[in-house]
Amino acid sequence: KQEVTQIPAALSVPEGENLVLNCSFTDSAIYNLQWFRQDPGKGLTSLLLIQSSQREQTSGRLNASLDKSSGRSTLYIAASQPGDSATYLCAVRDNAGNMLTFGGGTRLMVKP
Amino acid sequence: DAGITQSPRHKVTETGTPVTLRCHQTENHRYMYWYRQDPGHGLRLIHYSYGVKDTDKGEVSDGYSVSRSKTEDFLLTLESATSSQTSVYFCAISVRAGGETQYFGPGTRLLVL
Repeated sequence: KQEVTQIPAALSVPEGENLVLNCSFTDSAIYNLQWFRQDPGKGLTSLLLIQSSQREQTSGRLNASLDKSSGRSTLYIAASQPGDSATYLCAVRDNAGNMLTFGGGTRLMVKP
Repeated sequence: DAGITQSPRHKVTETGTPVTLRCHQTENHRYMYWYRQDPGHGLRLIHYSYGVKDTDKGEVSDGYSVSRSKTEDFLLTLESATSSQTSVYFCAISVRAGGETQYFGPGTRLLVL
């Protein structure tokens, strides 16, 4: 059974700092990996999708990397802003099925 | 938001009563999903659908049933609600363009007293 872990569970940084969020998964037979953002009381917003054949994806200040063989993905946020404060979730879709397995999330606070 | 709406957005009900949550999409995507989100457990898949009248169980399907009679609607039913089903319920669709990205609805907060 796929397990997804995100460390740290919470992170507080000053504005302007570059930061890295980590996601690890136990079964490397994945179809894709997706990063989401969730604001308090809201739904999930898709940030980046990385196919299993890809190494990284970029969108604005966000860069997600994937190392399938080691079961790891990172989300890099450049020049963090208070508006980046949210919970960030990674989710893995296995080759075998249609379901996403989610990590527990990293709650990020960017202080002005 | 990929044209996903959920109703109701909030509901309070009593133990033992039936509850139906609705997910509606406007873009005729084939795959639809129901998740629940709970502190300490994260997001977990309840059921999903891969077409009209085609559904399958997820990780936490006990106590839930689903129906999909039209492409645009996916219903989640709690036949007899229990307090353990107090949660936030999210519907999602899978969009093939760009590699099977899942998009989520705004969620339904359900409180079972």
